[in-house]
Amino acid sequence: AQTVTQSQPEMSVQEAETVTLSCTYDTSENNYYLFWYKQPPSRQMILVIRQEAYKQQNATENRFSVNFQKAAKSFSLKISDSQLGDTAMYFCAFAGRSSGSARQLTFGSGTQLTVLP
Amino acid sequence: IAGITQAPTSQILAAGRRMTLRCTQDMRHNAMYWYRQDLGLGLRLIHYSNTAGTTGKGEVPDGYSVSRANTDDFPLTLASAVPSQTSVYFCASSEQPVKGTGELFFGEGSRLTVL
Repeated sequence: AQTVTQSQPEMSVQEAETVTLSCTYDTSENNYYLFWYKQPPSRQMILVIRQEAYKQQNATENRFSVNFQKAAKSFSLKISDSQLGDTAMYFCAFAGRSSGSARQLTFGSGTQLTVLP
Repeated sequence: IAGITQAPTSQILAAGRRMTLRCTQDMRHNAMYWYRQDLGLGLRLIHYSNTAGTTGKGEVPDGYSVSRANTDDFPLTLASAVPSQTSVYFCASSEQPVKGTGELFFGEGSRLTVL
């Protein structure tokens, strides 16, 4: 079974600065997908960024980028120019092939990020 | 607006009572899922359905049941609620469980408190 570990339960960052959230995973698969989801106080789960394991290039979405190290099974999220609206719980998720041939997501325990004014 | 609708958004329930959480999607996604979210544990999969007419057990299925009579609806039933089922429940869907990426689209969650 796949596992996803987020070792930082809480983090804080000053507005306009950069912060990195860590995530590691364990799998024997070679073809999979990784995600970062954001959950603001509204409770809505929002996709932040997605990485395909077969792509060496790190994914980037505006101020959000990842550092994907496949050999180390590491998938960290970097938020640049942090904004107050980035305050949220961030979940790392792994999509492999369990239960036959269908993909299912396994989530980490989350990192609560607070952006300080 | 297309998406996933969950009901109720919040409910307080006495232990031993039966409860059904409703979930409807209008995106014609094949796969649907139920997760529970607990502090420090992230989201854990309860049950899933890869297509209408089929269901499967996730990581924490005990005490829960689901049905998938059609593409759009995926209700979650607690036959006899217990306090350990106090949680926030999320329904989600994905377009293609086999060929897709696994990306999920979520409802807004249902907060359930069992006393």
